[in-house]
Amino acid sequence: ETGVTQSPTHLIKTRGQQVTLRCSSQSGHNTVSWYQQALGQGPQFIFQYYREEENGRGNFPPRFSGLQFPNYSSELNVNALELDDSALYLCASSLGTGQYYEQYFGPGTRLTVT
Amino acid sequence: SQKIEQNSEALNIQEGKTATLTCNYTNYSPAYLQWYRQDPGRGPVFLLLIRENEKEKRKERLKVTFDTTLKQSLFHITASQPADSATYLCALVGLTGGGNKLTFGTGTQLKVEL
Repeated sequence: ETGVTQSPTHLIKTRGQQVTLRCSSQSGHNTVSWYQQALGQGPQFIFQYYREEENGRGNFPPRFSGLQFPNYSSELNVNALELDDSALYLCASSLGTGQYYEQYFGPGTRLTVT
Repeated sequence: SQKIEQNSEALNIQEGKTATLTCNYTNYSPAYLQWYRQDPGRGPVFLLLIRENEKEKRKERLKVTFDTTLKQSLFHITASQPADSATYLCALVGLTGGGNKLTFGTGTQLKVEL
């Protein structure tokens, strides 16, 4: 069974640019959640996708957008990058959206905005 | 406003001792609480889940307690080992719109010394 994978591992972008991060969910999982983790902080919920539809969003501006594909893999897009977007971006997959479905995290993508 | 607080200062203990980490929350009644371990540059790894109607949960050397009156969870690692050194995060479920979306504390760094 393959776990959650994310690409790329590291990324350096310039302020104002756009970035796309990718996540492959664990086999059999139809739900993907994205989190942003700034240095020294806990992960913060960005949004969740369930069967290709957005299923809830945290307190992030519209320049953070996402997609989920028919194979349940997902992308996180960030437009007009700001310095504060520098963080570890984590993807987590689960069997569903119900309260007791455990989330399995990928290793993360470290984004640095200069 | 809703808040989750963990000791921000690192906890240093000697090998073989019991480590106790605290998670306090306010203005919320979660259905359950989870504890995660996170190593530097890696995604969180799920350790234990405790429901609101459970007082205590154990798994090998790990023990979690949940006091909904005090709005506090304690996480214990007995017979600690240097390999237990990591950041430990507590997370509540459902704060950000329901389902299995997680709201994390800031984490406590544990260092187990020989």
